[in-house]
Amino acid sequence: GDSVTQMEGPVTLSEEAFLTINCTYTATGYPSLFWYVQYPGEGLQLLLKATKADDKGSNKGFEATYRKETTSFHLEKGSVQVSDSAVYFCALVTNDYKLSFGAGTTVTVRA
Amino acid sequence: GAGVSQSPRYKVAKRGQDVALRCDPISGHVSLFWYQQALGQGPEFLTYFQNEAQLDKSGLPSDRFFAERPEGSVSTLKIQRTQQEDSAVYLCASSHRDRGGTDTQYFGPGTRLTVL
Repeated sequence: GDSVTQMEGPVTLSEEAFLTINCTYTATGYPSLFWYVQYPGEGLQLLLKATKADDKGSNKGFEATYRKETTSFHLEKGSVQVSDSAVYFCALVTNDYKLSFGAGTTVTVRA
Repeated sequence: GAGVSQSPRYKVAKRGQDVALRCDPISGHVSLFWYQQALGQGPEFLTYFQNEAQLDKSGLPSDRFFAERPEGSVSTLKIQRTQQEDSAVYLCASSHRDRGGTDTQYFGPGTRLTVL
């Protein structure tokens, strides 16, 4: 079945550091890929998505590129802020509607 | 506009009690989903509604779990005879269109259920 594996946390960074969270997937067919973010005390929010190979999703300074050849969708941000502290989830959906999530990566950014 | 809302936000139940969790989706959204998120894990799919029709309940863990959406808007997830392993955050999500894998699912804040 479909599955997502993402980098284990927690990840602790200093402000303005570079952030990468690795995500790889296994899926039948051609999935759409997503990054969701959960800020403390809030619900899951869509951060970015990509629907086909080589697409790049971007939002709030975050980027991820859909790499079919490596079945990956790594999340990157060049300069993190304290406000980026959150739990980040990589997810996919194939031809149906069920989102399959990774286990989440907790990111803490220190001033 | 208003997002997805869920109530209660927190629920403590004694083992064996029945509980009912409510979800108010975004107005006009056709699709509604329930997910279960165990501590330290990602959400896992429970069930899917298209309007009032429950098209997929393959993720419900046992026959103690029941979901309904009788008028195609508000949905209720009911858990009968709760067990400790039911302790989790229950998330509701809605999306505008029917099916459509690329359609964004908007999540509510969740209900944290603790079974003692």
